[in-house]
Amino acid sequence: DQQVKQNSPSLSVQEGRISILNCDYTNSMFDYFLWYKKYPAEGPTFLISISSIKDKNEDGRFTVFLNKSAKHLSLHIVPSQPGDSAVYFCAASAKIAAGNKLTFGGGTRVLVKP
Amino acid sequence: NAGVTQTPKFRILKIGQSMTLQCTQDMNHNYMYWYRQDPGMGLKLIYYSVGAGITDKGEVPNGYNVSRSTTEDFPLRLELAAPSQTSVYFCASSHGNIQYFGAGTRLSVL
Repeated sequence: DQQVKQNSPSLSVQEGRISILNCDYTNSMFDYFLWYKKYPAEGPTFLISISSIKDKNEDGRFTVFLNKSAKHLSLHIVPSQPGDSAVYFCAASAKIAAGNKLTFGGGTRVLVKP
Repeated sequence: NAGVTQTPKFRILKIGQSMTLQCTQDMNHNYMYWYRQDPGMGLKLIYYSVGAGITDKGEVPNGYNVSRSTTEDFPLRLELAAPSQTSVYFCASSHGNIQYFGAGTRLSVL
């Protein structure tokens, strides 16, 4: 039972254009959402997050949108750069869960073409 | 800043062997975690700890054991390695909602 799903395993985008990554969740107790970026042979690194009390959070080229009624969030990267080529993971946590545990999606591999 | 450090980076085990994956953090975080990532999949939680002396099972704990004697260290023990434990293992620590990850240990069981 996958509580967090990233339905697009891969995405190819031209440099300078927008990358849109999508994530769906089923657990209504999730109240905090994060995006992580992962390069090969490295650990995931935190990118951006959003609390369930907000519907948008922006940090430079990265914006995360949250639609609670649809249980859907998305990450927009604009403009996309070749260095953005990586695997992106969506993750969610529930405040009531002990230990601030995260549930991860399966990841989306992004390739930004020069 | 070292952050979260994992050793070794790579290891090949024979079926039935045992080993300990080491994880240490220098951020004085109370919470620590062990995940495994199989090819093309997301990270699955094996065990976590909310402080020294306190550990609990995650989603996929079978075949693993952990201990947390200090705030800094959270080793993961495989007692009888099986091919199904071939994976990349990540350790993480957190203060609040954001988890910080080590570079991972790639383990093959043959």
